[in-house]
Amino acid sequence: AQSVTQLGSHVSVSEGALVLLRCNYSSSVPPYLFWYVQYPNQGLQLLLKYTSAATLVKGINGFEAEFKKSETSFHLTKPSAHMRDAAEYFCAVSNYGGATNKLIFGTGTLLAVQP
Amino acid sequence: EPEVTQTPSHQVTQMGQEVILRCVPISNHLYFYWYRQILGQKVEFLVSFYNNEISEKSEIFDDQFSVERPDGSNFTLKIRSTKLEDSAMYFCASSEVLGQQETQYFGPGTRLLVL
Repeated sequence: AQSVTQLGSHVSVSEGALVLLRCNYSSSVPPYLFWYVQYPNQGLQLLLKYTSAATLVKGINGFEAEFKKSETSFHLTKPSAHMRDAAEYFCAVSNYGGATNKLIFGTGTLLAVQP
Repeated sequence: EPEVTQTPSHQVTQMGQEVILRCVPISNHLYFYWYRQILGQKVEFLVSFYNNEISEKSEIFDDQFSVERPDGSNFTLKIRSTKLEDSAMYFCASSEVLGQQETQYFGPGTRLLVL
């Protein structure tokens, strides 16, 4: 069975500081990994996805994530936080082997950005 | 930019009542999903739908739940007899393709409260 674990339900950073949101996965088959963001009162928006091409994936809004098989990790980073980055971030895993590609989500990390 | 829409945004109902949650997927998408998030918990997969059939469903999706695409544009989730534990945020998602190129686009959600 596949799963993801997000370490830290709440992360607070200062504006301009590095953002690091952690995600570890468990999968018996090569995984496809995603980061979604949810702004208040909005739906889930895809930030980036890893589908077995380059291990360093660049997404929208300056975010990127690196797939590390040896560490079973897919941490999300951004060099310099902005106030508009305050939101909840979800890591998810899927495998494209079946009839559908259901996403299995982590519990989410709420990012606060302090001025 | 095309987006997935959901109505209503909030629904309050009495235990035992039937509710129908509505979603309008992106117009050229073929694959449809429902997920839910109980407050403070993970986003969980409920069901996927393709070609007017359920492709996959989770163990949560019991006989009290049903989905249909009644008119080629709407995609609905019906809960026949709601329970207190059905209180959650329900997200609809759609995608154009399966496989590596798939991106699931999510709606803003319907917050269901069962009293």
